[in-house]
Amino acid sequence: AQSVTQPDIHITVSEGASLELRCNYSYGATPYLFWYVQSPGQGLQLLLKYFSGDTLVQGIKGFEAEFKRSQSSFNLRKPSVHWSDAAEYFCAVGDPVAGTASKLTFGTGTRLQVTL
Amino acid sequence: DGGITQSPKYLFRKEGQNVTLSCEQNLNHDAMYWYRQDPGQGLRLIYYSQIVNDFQKGDIAEGYSVSREKKESFPLTVTSAQKNPTAFYLCASSDRQNQPQHFGDGTRLSIL
Repeated sequence: AQSVTQPDIHITVSEGASLELRCNYSYGATPYLFWYVQSPGQGLQLLLKYFSGDTLVQGIKGFEAEFKRSQSSFNLRKPSVHWSDAAEYFCAVGDPVAGTASKLTFGTGTRLQVTL
Repeated sequence: DGGITQSPKYLFRKEGQNVTLSCEQNLNHDAMYWYRQDPGQGLRLIYYSQIVNDFQKGDIAEGYSVSREKKESFPLTVTSAQKNPTAFYLCASSDRQNQPQHFGDGTRLSIL
């Protein structure tokens, strides 16, 4: 069964500083990989996705993520954080065999706090 | 605008009562999902449906029921058998054309 680990429960960064959120997965092959962001009391918004191809993926709001097969990781990065990036971030994996019309497995999330 | 509508935004349940959470999508997506979110536990899958009139249990289906009579609608009933229903419930949908899951804004359920 696939699983996702987000080792950092809570991260605090200063506005303008760089950010990296970690995500490790367990899956027998290359899974579908996703990062979502959630503001308090809201649903999840897709930041970016990886299906195949170029391992560096660009997303919305200036985020990017890099798929590293050797490390089973899909870390999310942003070069300069804005106060509005404060939210909870979720990594998720899906099964390419089942396709996108199938269930995802989510990590437990990382809460990002941004100090001014 | 295409999207997913969840209603109500807030819902209160009395002991022994069943309540139904609504989820409607106009994205023409084949698949729909219900997740439960508790603090520190991420999202856990309750039920999902990949086609009308068919659905599968997720990881925490006990105490919940669903129906999928129309492609656009996937209501979730929280039954009295669910002893700890207080949570944030999220509905999502996706399709087979490589469209990732798209989420509604959620329903917060509390016990009176």
